[in-house]
Amino acid sequence: QKEVEQNSGPLSVPEGAIASLNCTYSDRGSQSFFWYRQYSGKSPELIMFIYSNGDKEDGRFTAQLNKASQYVSLLIRDSQPSDSATYLCAVNSLNYGGSQGNLIFGKGTKLSVKP
Amino acid sequence: GAGVSQTPSNKVTEKGKYVELRCDPISGHTALYWYRQSLGQGPEFLIYFQGTGAADDSGLPNDRFFAVRPEGSVSTLKIQRTERGDSAVYLCASSPSRLSNEQYFGPGTRLTVT
Repeated sequence: QKEVEQNSGPLSVPEGAIASLNCTYSDRGSQSFFWYRQYSGKSPELIMFIYSNGDKEDGRFTAQLNKASQYVSLLIRDSQPSDSATYLCAVNSLNYGGSQGNLIFGKGTKLSVKP
Repeated sequence: GAGVSQTPSNKVTEKGKYVELRCDPISGHTALYWYRQSLGQGPEFLIYFQGTGAADDSGLPNDRFFAVRPEGSVSTLKIQRTERGDSAVYLCASSPSRLSNEQYFGPGTRLTVT
């Protein structure tokens, strides 16, 4: 059973701080890793993806991947109240046909940024 | 450009009824996915289309659930003999190709079975 684990939170950080969100996954065959942001009552919005070990930066967001440890994280620098949302980690593996298949999601971590 | 659209946004139906949920993917996206999300959970995979064919339907919970994508664009998820446990938000996502990783979600259809 392929699983993705996240701390459900809530994670509370003050405005301007760095928020660190973590995720572990069980399938060593996982190839692609995604972070989605989901505001209450809305659908998931893709904010970051990473395929290779190391760091990937995009604005205030940095995704970090360590395949050996089966661990992926998301750092949000200079956190803003508007970043308050649930952050979903998702992974996928190639299916038997060699194409990208479905995403497997964690339950999400709820982030609260306090002004 | 336009994102993924889903209709209706809300659907309330009685137990035992039949419902259809529609998804219109981003123009040019060949891969289309259906997920459903219950409160406090991440989205759960249902079925994946590459073009017109269902490439993977292993997530469909039982034979009451069926989906089609006859022309390789719009998809319809069909649920027969609805049960209260089917109540959830049904999400559709699309991605540019079979080799693309990124999936973009529509706004979802909230299904309530009374």
